[in-house]
Amino acid sequence: AQKITQTQPGMFVQEKEAVTLDCTYDTSDQSYGLFWYKQPSSGEMIFLIYQGSYDEQNATEGRYSLNFQKARKSANLVISASQLGDSAMYFCAMREVQSGNTPLVFGKGTRLSVIA
Amino acid sequence: DSGVTQTPKHLITATGQRVTLRCSPRSGDLSVYWYQQSLDQGLQFLIQYYNGEERAKGNILERFSAQQFPDLHSELNLSSLELGDSALYFCASSPTLVDHTEAFFGQGTRLTVV
Repeated sequence: AQKITQTQPGMFVQEKEAVTLDCTYDTSDQSYGLFWYKQPSSGEMIFLIYQGSYDEQNATEGRYSLNFQKARKSANLVISASQLGDSAMYFCAMREVQSGNTPLVFGKGTRLSVIA
Repeated sequence: DSGVTQTPKHLITATGQRVTLRCSPRSGDLSVYWYQQSLDQGLQFLIQYYNGEERAKGNILERFSAQQFPDLHSELNLSSLELGDSALYFCASSPTLVDHTEAFFGQGTRLTVV
């Protein structure tokens, strides 16, 4: 069964600094997708970035990049040049796609606080 | 704006009551997922529909049921509500069954059972 582990319940980062949020996953499928979502205090789930298991290059979206290490089964999110508006919960999620999309499985999240 | 619409945004009801949460997926998306987010359980998958048919079931209680209508909107029905059902309920949609894109989430319905 697929599983996502986020070991950092909370993180602090200084404004303008970079921060890495950890995510490890477990799956027996060869084909899967890894996602990061941001949940601000208002509650909505905002998609940030996606990495496919067969993608050779790490995904990047603006200030977000995904450090994908397949052999270690890790998919860490790197946020560069942190802003106060980045303060939120961040969830790593995974979907197996080998036999049709399975629903997303989420980790427990990391609360990021950006300090001025 | 993700394009997924959930109504209502907030709902307060008493124990034992029944409520219906509504979700309109993004235009053209055939797959709808329901998730429950509670403080103790985190984000949990409840149920998935694809083009009107139930596709996958997660940790959904027997008191809960869902359906997807011909116009692809979906409803989640919660009955005999208990205090522990208080949570944020999300609907998400994606275009097909086999794609590597993200699931687009609605803004959620915050249910409070008193």
